Amino acid sequence: NAGVMQNPRHLVRRRGQEARLRCSPMKGHSHVYWYRQLPEEGLKFMVYLQKENIIDESGMPKERFSAEFPKEGPSILRIQQVVRGDSAAYFCASSQQGQASYEQYFGPGTRLTVT
Amino acid sequence: QQQVKQSPQSLIVQKGGISIINCAYENTAFDYFPWYQQFPGKGPALLIAIRPDVSEKKEGRFTISFNKSAKQFSLHIMDSQPGDSATYFCAARQSGSRLTFGEGTQLTVNP
Repeated sequence: NAGVMQNPRHLVRRRGQEARLRCSPMKGHSHVYWYRQLPEEGLKFMVYLQKENIIDESGMPKERFSAEFPKEGPSILRIQQVVRGDSAAYFCASSQQGQASYEQYFGPGTRLTVT
Repeated sequence: QQQVKQSPQSLIVQKGGISIINCAYENTAFDYFPWYQQFPGKGPALLIAIRPDVSEKKEGRFTISFNKSAKQFSLHIMDSQPGDSATYFCAARQSGSRLTFGEGTQLTVNP
């Protein structure tokens, strides 16, 4: 009965490096959402994916950020050439297909620190 | 129109008291309203949720009240306990879409 899994839990990168955040949805879930939480703020939507498809990326910064959810393996959020402003907690959530798809369950998050 | 406004920003309640957190929205296309509880260093945990065809939903000590005409909904925590001290987020979702979150309420329940 594993929940949403994210790794790494903590990630430190220097400015200009790349960050790769991974998310494995709950068993039986095929929809993945990524959210970002800045310190002392609420969660902001970034991107919504199904297997091999990006459904909604309206919350993603236009540059340096990309996401994928391949047929096999976890969903990946990739941040290229990180800057200090990218320091935040990144949460992944998953949901089922169909009418029961309302509930989104969150993982523990990856806390990215850019030095 | 996608905003969800949450108040208060912080709340201090005595043990055994009632905690009330309020949210308001503009987008009438929202059709699902969950509340999440988040402890420091953890991910948000789904607490309780409601759909707009229901005016109230209760699960244990947690109750959501929903006023569709006013476009407002609230979370009531009865018999608040120190273990309820956390940040609470309301959210709203348009069917098949992402969650829009409020800014959060930091609840402290004093023993």
